[in-house]
This record gives sequence, C-alpha cells and structure tokens, in this order.
Amino acid sequence: DGGITQSPKYLFRKEGQNVTLSCEQNLNHDAMYWYRQDPGQGLRLIYYSQIVNDFQKGDIAEGYSVSREKKESFPLTVTSAQKNPTAFYLCASRLAGADTQYFGPGTRLTVL
Amino acid sequence: SQELEQSPQSLIVQEGKNLTINCTSSKTLYGLYWYKQKYGEGLIFLMMLQKGGEEKSHEKITAKLDEKKQQSSLHITASQPSHAGIYLCGADSSSGELTFGTGTRLTIIP
Repeated sequence: DGGITQSPKYLFRKEGQNVTLSCEQNLNHDAMYWYRQDPGQGLRLIYYSQIVNDFQKGDIAEGYSVSREKKESFPLTVTSAQKNPTAFYLCASRLAGADTQYFGPGTRLTVL
Repeated sequence: SQELEQSPQSLIVQEGKNLTINCTSSKTLYGLYWYKQKYGEGLIFLMMLQKGGEEKSHEKITAKLDEKKQQSSLHITASQPSHAGIYLCGADSSSGELTFGTGTRLTIIP
C-alpha cells in the first residue's frame, strides 16, 4: 500500500537528548513537510523540502534539523536546543504540481 | 471515522467581492482548524474554533462554528489577490486523531 509512515507513534525522551523522528513515503512525492501541533494552536510548519538535498525553514525551525538525502525519507531531529519539544509532530508529502498534501499518522513526542 | 467535506472545491472571485467556504463534518467537532496553503510552502494556521457558536476574525477573514458543532464557515470580506490559495479545514476527533478536508482552491481575479 502507498502512503506515509511515521514512527514511532509515541516517543519519550529525557530532557537534553536529541531525538530523530522518522518519516517515509512511497508515493513518489517530491515535496515533504514537517509540522508541529500544540493544543489549541493548530499546525505550524517546521521545515519543508521540495527536492532531494534541499530544504527550507518554516515558521518555527529553531531547535530542529532535517535532511533529505533520499526522495522517500525526510527525518526530523529535535535537538536539545528546542526549548519546548513536547508536541505532536506530523509529516506530510505532496506531488509536484498537485495541491493536496498527504499526512502521516503523526508522532507524539514527550520529553521528560 | 470522521470525515470533513469542504465546499466549494474551487472558487473564482473578482477582487473586492466577498466569499464563503464551508466545512461540514460527519461527527461532532471537538476542535476545528482553518489553514491556508501557500503553494509549495506548507500550511499556514489561520484560526481554531472549539465552542458551538464561536466566531473568530483575523484581518478580513472570519470563521464560525455552528451551534451543533458539525459545520464551520470561512468568510472573506473584500477579497484581495493575497487571499488566493487553498483553504483547508482540519478537525480533532474524540480519539485525538486529526482529519483534514479536501480543500478549496480560491482564485482572485482583478
């Protein structure tokens, strides 16, 4: 089946540790996105990538890093510099020229 | 599972005119979000509604959630070229899952 997978669904980390969230898609989509959702605030864009080996900062990129070495994969690293990392993280992808973004199931990160 | 239906799917409006986009849910909405999609750049959060009958405004955009909490409307007054884009509604379900509507493409013509 084609789709976007994010793993794990729930993730717990200690404060001060870096953590990497996985996002994989087999839809052959060109663009990929990372969003963060906090209660009552809706989705906010962290980073996006329109082609392999290229990515741009979104609205809240500080404390995060990404890579896009393969078309199918767009991992997000939450670094210790992110002051409030506990949130729900959503990955999305989009085919070039298409309007619709397809979303993964999300990863809920809790930093203890 | 919860489904969100948006109407219309696309809308072409002359600059300066008002317009309305609707989002209808198959289940009670616990949180309804409106987003605007800038092409290739991801979603921009516009506003969130939670209470039945709630209405919020941001600049020339007003969103309402009906009393039964199963429908929301987004109204733009005196549309401008900067309003063009794709508008997407999203919702929280009782289980915490996120669902998104199919989107409405808005084109503003001079």
